[in-house]
Amino acid sequence: EAGVTQSPTHLIKTRGQQATLRCSPISGHTSVYWYQQALGLGLQFLLWYDEGEERNRGNFPPRFSGRQFPNYSSELNVNALELEDSALYLCASSFAYEQYFGPGTRLTVT
Amino acid sequence: QKEVEQNSGPLSVPEGAIASLNCTYSDRGSQSFFWYRQYSGKSPELIMFIYSNGDKEDGRFTAQLNKASQYVSLLIRDSQPSDSATYLCAATTGGFKTIFGAGTRLFVKA
Repeated sequence: EAGVTQSPTHLIKTRGQQATLRCSPISGHTSVYWYQQALGLGLQFLLWYDEGEERNRGNFPPRFSGRQFPNYSSELNVNALELEDSALYLCASSFAYEQYFGPGTRLTVT
Repeated sequence: QKEVEQNSGPLSVPEGAIASLNCTYSDRGSQSFFWYRQYSGKSPELIMFIYSNGDKEDGRFTAQLNKASQYVSLLIRDSQPSDSATYLCAATTGGFKTIFGAGTRLFVKA
């Protein structure tokens, strides 16, 4: 069974630009979660989507947004990038409570 | 604010010893608890989950849950250098939101 996939693996952007990160969940999973992990720090919850709806949101500004498509894949958009947005962005999917993580997208903002 | 707390470590144990990782949570409504292993630069990997009071064993890993004390632990028997990683504890609250601890770094000395 294929795991959670994310693309791209690495992304380099300039301050002020927009970044789009993509996630495909495990087949049969309807929930997708997004987390930010800055270097050496813990997981910070960003967004939770389930059945196409945004269910919960972490303490991040509105320039962090996303959506979930009918096939349950998801997209995270970060507008007006700032240097401190540089981090590993992790997507996880679940059917019940257990979350399974993808390999992550490392975003570097210069 | 609902929290999951872990000692950041590092916890250093010799090869072959038992490593004991601890976690406390603040939300008494939490029902599901998870342990993830994260190697440096990689995404978290689910290694154990526990829903009921008591012990749950899987190979060299044992998860222990005490809801009265709001305490979760992970024991790793016969620790190996390959177990050296950061271990994340997570709890799902009554609102179906999963909160992660900051993680405990484990170092197993050969």
